[in-house]
Amino acid sequence: GENVEQHPSTLSVQEGDSAVIKCTYSDSASNYFPWYKQELGKRPQLIIDIRSNVGEKKDQRIAVTLNKTAKHFSLHITETQPEDSAVYFCAASSAGGTSYGKLTFGQGTILTVHP
Amino acid sequence: DAGVIQSPRHEVTEMGQEVTLRCKPISGHDYLFWYRQTMMRGLELLIYFNNNVPIDDSGMPEDRFSAKMPNASFSTLKIQPSEPRDSAVYFCASSFQFRSRKADTQYFGPGTRLTVL
Repeated sequence: GENVEQHPSTLSVQEGDSAVIKCTYSDSASNYFPWYKQELGKRPQLIIDIRSNVGEKKDQRIAVTLNKTAKHFSLHITETQPEDSAVYFCAASSAGGTSYGKLTFGQGTILTVHP
Repeated sequence: DAGVIQSPRHEVTEMGQEVTLRCKPISGHDYLFWYRQTMMRGLELLIYFNNNVPIDDSGMPEDRFSAKMPNASFSTLKIQPSEPRDSAVYFCASSFQFRSRKADTQYFGPGTRLTVL
């Protein structure tokens, strides 16, 4: 089955700096890669996603890049703000077979943005 | 839409008791997922359904866990008997992927925090 590795496990930055979180996946059939943000005591919420036919996607201060050959994808947050502090999860989903529709999550990155 | 609804939000029980967690997916969604989240193991997929049919239950830890989806608007996750190591936050999520053959956004419920004493 799919295996998703996420790094780093913790990330501390100063307000205004950029933050980068990286994930690798094992199943070359995976074709959907969402990123979720989870604030303390709350549910995971989708912040951005990318499909395998696209190399990069941006939404204001957030961007995701995908390298299918190397099987890795990254989340980039620019001009970080204290409210960006949360746990971020990457995930990968396959399109076919018995894994259809199933997301495999990384272990999460605790991002702390210091004012 | 009210989003994915879960009940109860908090459950405290004693070891050996039966626990039932409930989930109402977003209306019209055809996939429903049950996850468990702990500090040690992260976010684990337990089981998921498509059109009320269980597709993959390989994440269910043991026979003490069971899940049902009797109709498109309701699912339960049952633990019988419960043990302290079952203490975790249990999330239900739903998505809509009808005929698209594309995985799509999963919307999570608020979760049920289960404590087994």
